[in-house]
Amino acid sequence: SAVISQKPSRDICQRGTSLTIQCQVDSQVTMMFWYRQQPGQSLTLIATANQGSEATYESGFVIDKFPISRPNLTFSTLTVSNMSPEDSSIYLCSVDTLTENTEAFFGQGTRLTVV
Amino acid sequence: DAKTTQPNSMESNEEEPVHLPCNHSTISGTDYIHWYRQLPSQGPEYVIHGLTSNVNNRMASLAIAEDRKSSTLILHRATLRDAAVYYCILKTSNSGYALNFGKGTSLLVTP
Repeated sequence: SAVISQKPSRDICQRGTSLTIQCQVDSQVTMMFWYRQQPGQSLTLIATANQGSEATYESGFVIDKFPISRPNLTFSTLTVSNMSPEDSSIYLCSVDTLTENTEAFFGQGTRLTVV
Repeated sequence: DAKTTQPNSMESNEEEPVHLPCNHSTISGTDYIHWYRQLPSQGPEYVIHGLTSNVNNRMASLAIAEDRKSSTLILHRATLRDAAVYYCILKTSNSGYALNFGKGTSLLVTP
């Protein structure tokens, strides 16, 4: 199992600013994923972050807007840059292994409101 | 990517069994069927997963059709704490092992 700590748990930010979200895991993990959950919607994958390589972004998400760092096997950050009210969402970190036969673990999420 | 289809919502009485269906007619041989749930204001949590055989754990049971084109998550005795959105997801290497969430089924449990 893995315990994930996300910080901050929530924030209210001014448009045009940036926020960095931290994801700390209590064990070394191979795969880390970042998701966005817009109000009343399901989760959408933003990117996959593997240690030692550039993050892989899903269609509709770009590195300039959502830069990701993965400096080691227990930590990752997601930055939401130049925020607008449309970025108001819950951002979630998830960890998993390189196999279909294991469970993923999720953080509690960061609730971001942009005003 | 293989997709899943679930009813938007279901309702159950407390302490009664709940059967949550999922269709995945385009599933491929190596795709595992995963179920997660998301309680209000929380991140998703793992419920159960399987490949071909039925699976049981402390939370639920997973019944997989013989042709693997559908599955059913069974909560044996629903409680108020089981009210959540339940997601049926096919986990595959084709998506880099990431979970592609559909809309899920919103389960309402009434006393």
